[in-house]
Amino acid sequence: GENVEQHPSTLSVQEGDSAVIKCTYSDSASNYFPWYKQELGKGPQLIIDIRSNVGEKKDQRIAVTLNKTAKHFSLHITETQPEDSAVYFCAASIGTGTASKLTFGTGTRLQVTL
Amino acid sequence: DADVTQTPRNRITKTGKRIMLECSQTKGHDRMYWYRQDPGLGLRLIYYSFDVKDINKGEISDGYSVSRQAQAKFSLSLESAIPNQTALYFCATSDPSGRGGNEQFFGPGTRLTVL
Repeated sequence: GENVEQHPSTLSVQEGDSAVIKCTYSDSASNYFPWYKQELGKGPQLIIDIRSNVGEKKDQRIAVTLNKTAKHFSLHITETQPEDSAVYFCAASIGTGTASKLTFGTGTRLQVTL
Repeated sequence: DADVTQTPRNRITKTGKRIMLECSQTKGHDRMYWYRQDPGLGLRLIYYSFDVKDINKGEISDGYSVSRQAQAKFSLSLESAIPNQTALYFCATSDPSGRGGNEQFFGPGTRLTVL
């Protein structure tokens, strides 16, 4: 089955700096890569996703890049703010429809310091 | 009101006891999932259901069972709880044919402690 590795496990940045979280996946058939943010005491929530026919996607201060050849994808957060502090999970999925199960990475705890 | 609710939110039980965690959703989604979250291990899929008559094992189904009572309800049972089932449990829903596409919507979680 699919295996998703995520690094780093913890990341501390100063407010205003950028943060980058990286994931690799094992199954070249995976074609959907979402990122979820989990705030303390809450369930994960989707923040951005990318499909394999796109190399980069941006939404305000967050962006995701995908390198299909190397089988890795990354989350970039610019101009970090204290409210960005949370645990972030990457995930990979093969296809849609009946095959759309997500395999999650192990998570990155991001702390934005003042 | 929350779209995906889980009960109870916290539970402490003893080894060998039978435990049921419940999940309800008002999103009208056919697909429902149960995950467990452990520190350093991320979210791992226990069971999933693509409609009321469809139940599938995930990667860590041993020691668990599920029941899909209706489109809106998906329950997770631990027949005989053991300490290494201590974890945070999440229910999620999705509707690939709808606006959300492959997005999964998570409940607030149930923190289970098995002594």
